[in-house]
Amino acid sequence: DIQMTQSPSSLSASVGDRVTITCRASQTISSFLNWYQQKPGKAPDLLIYAASNLQSGVPSRFSGSGSGTAFTLTISSLQPEDFATYYCQQGYSKPFTFGGGTKLEIK
Amino acid sequence: QLQLQESGSGLVKPSQTLSLTCAVSGGSIRSGSYSWSWIRQPPGKGLEWIGYIYDSGSTSYNPSLKSRVTISMDRSRNHFSLNLRSVTAADTAIYYCARDSSVVRYTFQHWGQGTLVTVSS
Repeated sequence: DIQMTQSPSSLSASVGDRVTITCRASQTISSFLNWYQQKPGKAPDLLIYAASNLQSGVPSRFSGSGSGTAFTLTISSLQPEDFATYYCQQGYSKPFTFGGGTKLEIK
Repeated sequence: QLQLQESGSGLVKPSQTLSLTCAVSGGSIRSGSYSWSWIRQPPGKGLEWIGYIYDSGSTSYNPSLKSRVTISMDRSRNHFSLNLRSVTAADTAIYYCARDSSVVRYTFQHWGQGTLVTVSS
């Protein structure tokens, strides 16, 4: 199985901050990397697909980059509604696997 | 707009079988190009892909669960189902059904709201 490792596991930040979350794959996954946002009691929402493509309807302050084994999700200016847990997921090979999550909290 | 809705027993006894159904509305399950998945999340923990099924009936399962899982599809009812046998407390989780993206395979674009299944005697 491909292991997905996210860092940090938790992060405190303020409204307006720029934050970056990292996801590393245990082997190359090309650009088959997706990012999801999950709020308490809700299903995950797709934010970024294929490493750098913004899902329709997602604000442009979200961006993704990377390929191979190293990927990042950046939020350019945090808004109150962005405080949530973020997961990466590889769709390169089965079984599809998720990172452990990054909980973004208000400072 | 595509909607998915999980249903099934919220409480299952140890060693018994967990059975869930995902009803699909706003679109047909008979689209050969999409995979229909089950994903679970133990309370307070991360996400685990369980497996998928295509309209053709082709399935793929997570090896960690493969010996206990069956995913099936009922095209006439526009739904697909999950059976997980011989459950233990470790199978307590929120179970989601999901469909992948039309743009990139195995990108989970559409999700049900999730249903909590508790394994307890």
